[in-house]
Amino acid sequence: QSVLTQPPSVSAAPGHNVTISCSGSSSNIGNSYVSWYQQFPGTAPRLLIYDNNKRPSGIPDRFSVSKSDTSATLAITGLQTGDEADYYCEARDNSLSVVFGGGTKLTVL
Amino acid sequence: QVQLVQSGAEVKKPGASVTVSCKTSGYSFTDYGISWVRQAPGQGLEWMGWISGYNGNSDYAQKFQGSVTMTLDTSTSTAFMEVRSLRSDDTAVYYCTRDEVYVPGYFDYWGQGTLVTVSS
Repeated sequence: QSVLTQPPSVSAAPGHNVTISCSGSSSNIGNSYVSWYQQFPGTAPRLLIYDNNKRPSGIPDRFSVSKSDTSATLAITGLQTGDEADYYCEARDNSLSVVFGGGTKLTVL
Repeated sequence: QVQLVQSGAEVKKPGASVTVSCKTSGYSFTDYGISWVRQAPGQGLEWMGWISGYNGNSDYAQKFQGSVTMTLDTSTSTAFMEVRSLRSDDTAVYYCTRDEVYVPGYFDYWGQGTLVTVSS
């Protein structure tokens, strides 16, 4: 059972928009920056978003995050087949140092 | 360019220890930390701990305190993680990641992963 809660799966058609939620508590998301990672099968994860809503170089602005109190939501606009991957949220936690969500599998129909 | 290159796959028996290395390049080693993250087959990501490249301070996830030790060799910009008393549920891909220098934060570069298989 992960400390941060994500839906196991989401799906949407190409060109559509999708959101992935990440729910935590006041000891983590409510008091910390949130980061998001994208992982394709058989490869290492890559940083998608850090410090709540900053994108590393090379990450398109189709990816954005909104944060509210103890939850964060990753939004992907204009879905592409290449976005099909697993997505993980992550945050610092007062007691547990660093926690991840359980991951969400995005299927682009 | 920033690179983290990990040591190769390992097969260990239950009760044994394993050490995974992570050789870094392309950045100032002492300006960042290293976090280790593992992923069991078909499972999600699990943070194991962090070590500062600046002063060697470390912070381990509660679950791994006493069974994991993270160290650095700043002369070769290499990080090491030893996992002791291996069990079958330690079978996983272990990743080293570049992290913040003073406290663990976010992981902007990842090694390629090292598969550790624990089997009798």
